[in-house]
Amino acid sequence: QKEVEQDPGPLSVPEGAIVSLNCTYSNSAFQYFMWYRQYSRKGPELLMYTYSSGNKEDGRFTAQVDKSSKYISLFIRDSQPSDSATYLCAMSGVETSYDKVIFGPGTSLSVIP
Amino acid sequence: NAGVMQNPRHLVRRRGQEARLRCSPMKGHSHVYWYRQLPEEGLKFMVYLQKENIIDESGMPKERFSAEFPKEGPSILRIQQVVRGDSAAYFCASSPRRGQGTDTQYFGPGTRLTVL
Repeated sequence: QKEVEQDPGPLSVPEGAIVSLNCTYSNSAFQYFMWYRQYSRKGPELLMYTYSSGNKEDGRFTAQVDKSSKYISLFIRDSQPSDSATYLCAMSGVETSYDKVIFGPGTSLSVIP
Repeated sequence: NAGVMQNPRHLVRRRGQEARLRCSPMKGHSHVYWYRQLPEEGLKFMVYLQKENIIDESGMPKERFSAEFPKEGPSILRIQQVVRGDSAAYFCASSPRRGQGTDTQYFGPGTRLTVL
């Protein structure tokens, strides 16, 4: 079993739709959870991070963490064509002397005008 | 405030040549991470460095790959005797402190290596 799993998609939605992106993980030591957005041929950029369980909202984006289920989600409301990108979940926890960040494989999202 | 810089952005090498990838972290950041990304795959951790120290190289192939982060100058990822399987996008990230979740890693634009 991979440490972090993510449906690769591609996911295609119409403009204005609510998008749900998800990751599951196996290591209960993870405490920090992040979502990165990566446009084609660009480096990943941080969208959101959360610590432990709970929700965090930032504009049209909401991140949810359910540690009991080892499941995290990113919701995008009122999706826009500019949201078309690959979304990578990432997580880290206490491990040896530093917190190595583990990335999921990414979900490709296309928002159709 | 310049972000993480990587150069070259594109690098073409023939099999057997050496590839040198450079990364200048964000100002004030002393921690550098290298990742490799293959098509349809996620970011794979390669190595974590601080100035003049390799902290974790558990993701580096045992042969042909090396990395350094000297006291002065950029971090260098070196691939000797490249093979076609080395073709990938190589990303560098930096953080101000050790890579805890709240000290997020900021990524550069990547170097796309093509081995002919």
